[in-house]
Amino acid sequence: GNSVTQMEGPVTLSEEAFLTINCTYTATGYPSLFWYVQYPGEGLQLLLKATKADDKGSNKGFEATYRKETTSFHLEKGSVQVSDSAVYFCALRSNTGGFKTIFGAGTRLFVKA
Amino acid sequence: NAGVTQTPKFQVLKTGQSMTLQCAQDMNHEYMSWYRQDPGMGLRLIHYSVGAGITDQGEVPNGYNVSRSTTEDFPLRLLSAAPSQTSVYFCASSYGGTGVRTNEKLFFGSGTQLSVL
Repeated sequence: GNSVTQMEGPVTLSEEAFLTINCTYTATGYPSLFWYVQYPGEGLQLLLKATKADDKGSNKGFEATYRKETTSFHLEKGSVQVSDSAVYFCALRSNTGGFKTIFGAGTRLFVKA
Repeated sequence: NAGVTQTPKFQVLKTGQSMTLQCAQDMNHEYMSWYRQDPGMGLRLIHYSVGAGITDQGEVPNGYNVSRSTTEDFPLRLLSAAPSQTSVYFCASSYGGTGVRTNEKLFFGSGTQLSVL
């Protein structure tokens, strides 16, 4: 079945450091890939998405590229801020299995001033 | 705009009690779903619906029932609560029903924190 694996956290960085959160997936069909972010006490919200191979999703300085050859969708940001502290979830939505969205376990990011 | 509204925000139950978690959306979304969030396990799909009158099971459906009588509402019922159901529950919806596309994002409610003693 479909699955998403992302790096375990927590990840602790200093402000202005470079961020990478790794995500790999297994899927049948032609999935779209997503990164969602969860701030404390809130529900998840979409950060960015990519719908086909080689697409790059970007938002708020975050980027991720859909790599079909390595089945990966790593999240990157060149300079993190304290306000980026949150939990980040990689997810896929496939056109098989009822179009369900499958999530990774989440990676908690702490950014220190 | 209200978006996806979940009630209650917090609930404490005793083992064996029943309750219903409410979810309503005002975006005319055909697709609705329930997830539970547990530490280290991410979000796991409980049940989902692609339109009024249509529901199906997700990864962890045991102990939960759903129904979808209207487009707006998708309640989740715990028939006999167990400590293993202590979790944070999220309702999420998206555009599209049986014709949903893979690139449609999910809109989430703010969650219900449930403790079963």
